Amino acid sequence: SAVISQKPSRDICQRGTSLTIQCQVDSQVTMMFWYRQQPGQSLTLIATANQGSEATYESGFVIDKFPISRPNLTFSTLTVSNMSPEDSSIYLCSVEEQGAGANVLTFGAGSRLTVL
Amino acid sequence: GENVEQHPSTLSVQEGDSAVIKCTYSDSASNYFPWYKQELGKRPQLIIDIRSNVGEKKDQRIAVTLNKTAKHFSLHITETQPEDSAVYFCAASRYSSASKIIFGSGTRLSIRP
Repeated sequence: SAVISQKPSRDICQRGTSLTIQCQVDSQVTMMFWYRQQPGQSLTLIATANQGSEATYESGFVIDKFPISRPNLTFSTLTVSNMSPEDSSIYLCSVEEQGAGANVLTFGAGSRLTVL
Repeated sequence: GENVEQHPSTLSVQEGDSAVIKCTYSDSASNYFPWYKQELGKRPQLIIDIRSNVGEKKDQRIAVTLNKTAKHFSLHITETQPEDSAVYFCAASRYSSASKIIFGSGTRLSIRP
């Protein structure tokens, strides 16, 4: 399966600042996904990033708050803008891989953000 | 849209006993049901999945059952071991579109020695 590297693995941020998370995959993939996992909660899809087009955002998430770049088929970034303590979460990058008759998700290790 | 409910939220079992986690889904068009395991501080990892054309799938101590009529599916872990302690997430989607996968709220499984 694909190997996904995310950085930073964790960070402590000040309110009002922005942070960019990087996701690197060791193979070319069509679709990359960004998820948020709030403390003790489930996985919520923020957006789908396709190379060469704008990201597709899920309900409740907007581009101004979570701008995404996808410059090529192995790399993507997610920026968390104008952060508040409510943005303290783990942010996970994932890719879709062709499984046996189904497309499965493989996740990066996540970036744990704490906003003070 | 799809809604996936998962129960229980926490589960504690004696080592060696079995554990069962149950999920229901709302979209009858869903046809792919993966289960992910997330150990403390680690990434979620796929442990087993099932497609809607089968009713049960087994992989060593782990099995998943699917009841399409009732729209529910379950994860069964037999002969539990300490390394089974983790949070388990069920999910549902149409298998052709991972971008539409919806996760359950998770079950924290603890194995008592």
